[in-house]
Amino acid sequence: DGGITQSPKYLFRKEGQNVTLSCEQNLNHDAMYWYRQDPGQGLRLIYYSQIVNDFQKGDIAEGYSVSREKKESFPLTVTSAQKNPTAFYLCASSMQGNIQYFGAGTRLSVL
Amino acid sequence: AQKVTQAQTEISVVEKEDVTLDCVYETRDTTYYLFWYKQPPSGELVFLIRRNSFDEQNEISGRYSWNFQKSTSSFNFTITASQVVDSAVYFCALSEAYSGTYKYIFGTGTRLKVLA
Repeated sequence: DGGITQSPKYLFRKEGQNVTLSCEQNLNHDAMYWYRQDPGQGLRLIYYSQIVNDFQKGDIAEGYSVSREKKESFPLTVTSAQKNPTAFYLCASSMQGNIQYFGAGTRLSVL
Repeated sequence: AQKVTQAQTEISVVEKEDVTLDCVYETRDTTYYLFWYKQPPSGELVFLIRRNSFDEQNEISGRYSWNFQKSTSSFNFTITASQVVDSAVYFCALSEAYSGTYKYIFGTGTRLKVLA
């Protein structure tokens, strides 16, 4: 089945540690996105990529990094510089200018 | 500046009642898209509808209907004869075409609780 797979579902980060969230899609979509969701704040854009080997910062990119080496994959690294990483992270993909489809999310907590 | 406002934080209704979720947007662009997504407790956002700025026709899909009014910058969502399975958080979003990136701006969501 075509879709977007995020892993892991739950992730725990220790102080000072970098962690990487996986996002894979088999929809042949060009564009991919990472969002952060906090209670009562809706979704905020972290990074997005419209094409392989290219990505742009969203509204809250500080403390995060991404790569887009393959069309299917857009991993997000939460670095130790992100002081408040506890949130629900959602990955999405779309054909250029079209509807975004979302994965099931990763819930990140700090130990 | 672009903005999406969902003023209703939480709504509770009894099963079979009709309910309307409000969405008001601000944009400087003449070409834009509006969306509604449903987020059930599992967390995944489920796409419901997209409407472009040149199409003000209302849409009905089963128990769901959408009312788009450019004059009031609103894109409201009505669920007729609500069911317990409709309980979720609903997000309205705006996407502008001028930048070429079609980034979404989300509202803060409305949590709908349908009581049996």
